[in-house]
Amino acid sequence: DAGVIQSPRHEVTEMGQEVTLRCKPISGHNSLFWYRQTMMRGLELLIYFNNNVPIDDSGMPEDRFSAKMPNASFSTLKIQPSEPRDSAVYFCASSLARDRGRLANEKLFFGSGTQLSVL
Amino acid sequence: AQKVTQAQTEISVVEKEDVTLDCVYETRDTTYYLFWYKQPPSGELVFLIRRNSFDEQNEISGRYSWNFQKSTSSFNFTITASQVVDSAVYFCALSEAGYSSASKIIFGSGTRLSIRP
Repeated sequence: DAGVIQSPRHEVTEMGQEVTLRCKPISGHNSLFWYRQTMMRGLELLIYFNNNVPIDDSGMPEDRFSAKMPNASFSTLKIQPSEPRDSAVYFCASSLARDRGRLANEKLFFGSGTQLSVL
Repeated sequence: AQKVTQAQTEISVVEKEDVTLDCVYETRDTTYYLFWYKQPPSGELVFLIRRNSFDEQNEISGRYSWNFQKSTSSFNFTITASQVVDSAVYFCALSEAGYSSASKIIFGSGTRLSIRP
């Protein structure tokens, strides 16, 4: 079975450019999460969706970040305009949690991550 | 508010030694879940174990074992007879049941484990 698929694996861009990260969750999973990993801040939860609806976006750093989940099999995380401090590894994860009440106890399946470098 | 502390930033041991990774958590909920994830050099986080707050029974899976103690708010992870393939960053995580609102899983800062041959 295919796991969580993220693209691209690596992205190098210049400051000010728009960056779009993509994620395909595991088929049948109802919840999707975007995390950012840096040396300084560790793993931070940016936003998560349940049944394609954003539940909590309090971790999104600022208005330059936006995320969408137009259907159950696809999500994007967009940064516009990008800045050097956005350089990090961005992970997408999915889980079987059917509703908000079950988000707590379902294990996460992670993608391989996107290494973003903003010059 | 929920919080997970992994005080050990890096640990290095020689192969075949036993090693324990510490995890201390804070939560106000009576119902919560604890997790351990492994991040090998390839980068992808992999789920290892989940415990709920009502199950303090320790668990053993091969060379891995977990010690959950509510009295000290700890959920420690021990690798027995470590191997080079165990080298990775290990994360402890916590989520609260959050009956009044949706909950989320937060991670500790991770412990980088290096096993020397």
